[in-house]
Amino acid sequence: GQQVMQIPQYQHVQEGEDFTTYCNSSTTLSNIQWYKQRPGGHPVFLIQLVKSGEVKKQKRLTFQFGEAKKNSSLHITATQTTDVGTYFCAGSSDSWGKLQFGAGTQVVVTP
Amino acid sequence: SAVISQKPSRDICQRGTSLTIQCQVDSQVTMMFWYRQQPGQSLTLIATANQGSEATYESGFVIDKFPISRPNLTFSTLTVSNMSPEDSSIYLCRVLGPGGGNTEAFFGQGTRLTVV
Repeated sequence: GQQVMQIPQYQHVQEGEDFTTYCNSSTTLSNIQWYKQRPGGHPVFLIQLVKSGEVKKQKRLTFQFGEAKKNSSLHITATQTTDVGTYFCAGSSDSWGKLQFGAGTQVVVTP
Repeated sequence: SAVISQKPSRDICQRGTSLTIQCQVDSQVTMMFWYRQQPGQSLTLIATANQGSEATYESGFVIDKFPISRPNLTFSTLTVSNMSPEDSSIYLCRVLGPGGGNTEAFFGQGTRLTVV
């Protein structure tokens, strides 16, 4: 079955630095979504990528979907303390929204 | 965006008992899903709640343990039956809007279950 792998599992970042988390699927995806979960909270939808090679930006966050639609990345520039949380990628191979979640990248920001 | 009310937000239950979790949406949605998030882990899909018919369960999850109802397009319940400490997790419902398919999705706030 479809598997979605995400690295790194943990990311310690100095405030102001950049970092990237990567997501890889064992199968071609129809779309990939990214979520952020704050400690004690529920996953909050960030973005969805659908097209091969797609790049989307949200302020300091840049999301990419690979040409083969099997991998994706989230790059955060100038990390702030508000970026603390766990970032999940989630891929879907069908058109009905059933998602397979990656293990998540837990981000800790030190001032 | 859809507003999702999930109840209870947390509970502590005795082993061997059952707990029913409710997910209420303020608008009709196409798809409703139930996920489990074990401590420190990612989200695992339990089942897709189908309106008016039996839920579709993922591998490793069975109806006897996790019965699901979805009587209409705005409401679903998940029951965790005959609980054991291994069932201690956060349970989340997720919904897709009327557009279905590849559209933005929303999670409820989750139910944090502790089984003692």
